[in-house]
Amino acid sequence: GQQLNQSPQSMFIQEGEDVSMNCTSSSIFNTWLWYKQDPGEGPVLLIALYKAGELTSNGRLTAQFGITRKDSFLNISASIPSDVGIYFCAGSNTGNQFYFGTGTSLTVIP
Amino acid sequence: GAVVSQHPSWVICKSGTSVKIECRSLDFQATTMFWYRQFPKQSLMLMATSNEGSKATYEQGVEKDKFLINHASLTLSTLTVTSAHPEDSSFYICSASRGRGRNEQFFGPGTRLTVL
Repeated sequence: GQQLNQSPQSMFIQEGEDVSMNCTSSSIFNTWLWYKQDPGEGPVLLIALYKAGELTSNGRLTAQFGITRKDSFLNISASIPSDVGIYFCAGSNTGNQFYFGTGTSLTVIP
Repeated sequence: GAVVSQHPSWVICKSGTSVKIECRSLDFQATTMFWYRQFPKQSLMLMATSNEGSKATYEQGVEKDKFLINHASLTLSTLTVTSAHPEDSSFYICSASRGRGRNEQFFGPGTRLTVL
C-alpha cells in the first residue's frame, strides 16, 4: 500500500528545544492523524486534522493540515524526556483506510 | 474513551501451529477494525480491513487463507495466523474506528508473536 514520506527520519535534541517534523504525500488527503508509539506498544493518537489549513494543539503539541492537502506538520515545544518515541503521521482520503508515514524517531537528551 | 485491548500481548508458538489474536473495543462500538503488522524500526503495514458481519478486505500480498480474520461483533475482531512459520514472527497491532464521520483509528497495545 501507499506509504507517506516523513522527515526527518530521526532527531536527537536537547531537553527544552522545540521539534518540527513533517509528512508528505503524492495524494490529496482529507484527514491527517498524528500518533506516538513507545517501544513494544501500540500507537497513541495525538492529534486529528480534518480541514485544509487547520491548526490544532494538544498541550505542547501543535499540528497543521497543509493547504495543499498533501502534507502535514507536527511541532513539539519545550521538549521533555518523556517525548521520546517514534512519531507517525497517517493520512486518508476515504475516511476509512489510512496510510502511515515512515516514522520519526525522537531522542531527547536531558 | 476509545480504548482498544488486544490479547494475548505476547505469544510464542511452534512452527506449524495456529495462533489466534483478539482485538476488542472496550468502550465503543467499532464499525471497522484494522489489522497491521510491524517489523522492528519500521512503520505499520496494513494487512486487512474488517467490517462487522462481512468478509475482511485484504491488502495486496497478504494471504487471506493464512491470516484469517473474523469480525464477529461490533466490539471484537480476531486474527488467526494459521500454520505459523518463523517468518510470521512480528508485532501485530489492531485498530478500531468508530466511524460516523470522525474516523480516527484507536490502536490496541499490540501482540508480539514469536514462532520457533
